[in-house]
Amino acid sequence: EAGVVQSPRYKIIEKKQPVAFWCNPISGHNTLYWYLQNLGQGPELLIRYENEEAVDDSQLPKDRFSAERLKGVDSTLKIQPAELGDSAVYLCASSLGGGAPNEQFFGPGTRLTVL
Amino acid sequence: RKEVEQDPGPFNVPEGATVAFNCTYSNSASQSFFWYRQDCRKEPKLLMSVYSSGNEDGRFTAQLNRASQYISLLIRDSKLSDSATYLCVVTGGTTDSWGKLQFGAGTQVVVTP
Repeated sequence: EAGVVQSPRYKIIEKKQPVAFWCNPISGHNTLYWYLQNLGQGPELLIRYENEEAVDDSQLPKDRFSAERLKGVDSTLKIQPAELGDSAVYLCASSLGGGAPNEQFFGPGTRLTVL
Repeated sequence: RKEVEQDPGPFNVPEGATVAFNCTYSNSASQSFFWYRQDCRKEPKLLMSVYSSGNEDGRFTAQLNRASQYISLLIRDSKLSDSATYLCVVTGGTTDSWGKLQFGAGTQVVVTP
């Protein structure tokens, strides 16, 4: 069975440019997460979806970040405009969902460098 | 103060030795606890869930101490392949059954020959 797919794997952009990341979760996983991970730190949750509904976006910097999961399957995370401090690894994860947290399966991440 | 704190290490462990480390959390209402493993430049992967009664999976033992608000991970008979960063995850603390998902910064373990 395929795991969580993310693209692109690497992205280098100049500051003030827009950038988008795509994630396709494991088939049948209703819960999808976007995380940001800086070097030497743990992942920080940006947004969590249950199907197409964003149930926790309290950590998403809404002035420049946006996300969507229109059909409750794949998802896109966008940054516009990107800032130098956005350089990080953006991880997508999925899980079965339901009434309590369970095992999250992570994709390989997108490593973003903002110059 | 961070809500989930871990000793960053590195813990340098001779092969075959035992190593243990903790993760402390600040929200007493936290409900679910996990240990994830992350290899260098790879994604995190679930190592084990942590249950109130403590649980063991092969050479790995996880404990939860709610009174002191920490979870622990013990690795016995360390293997070279155990070298990784170990992330603790704590959830719960709000009216939402999930609460807020919080990862620690990770504890690095280096097993040496």
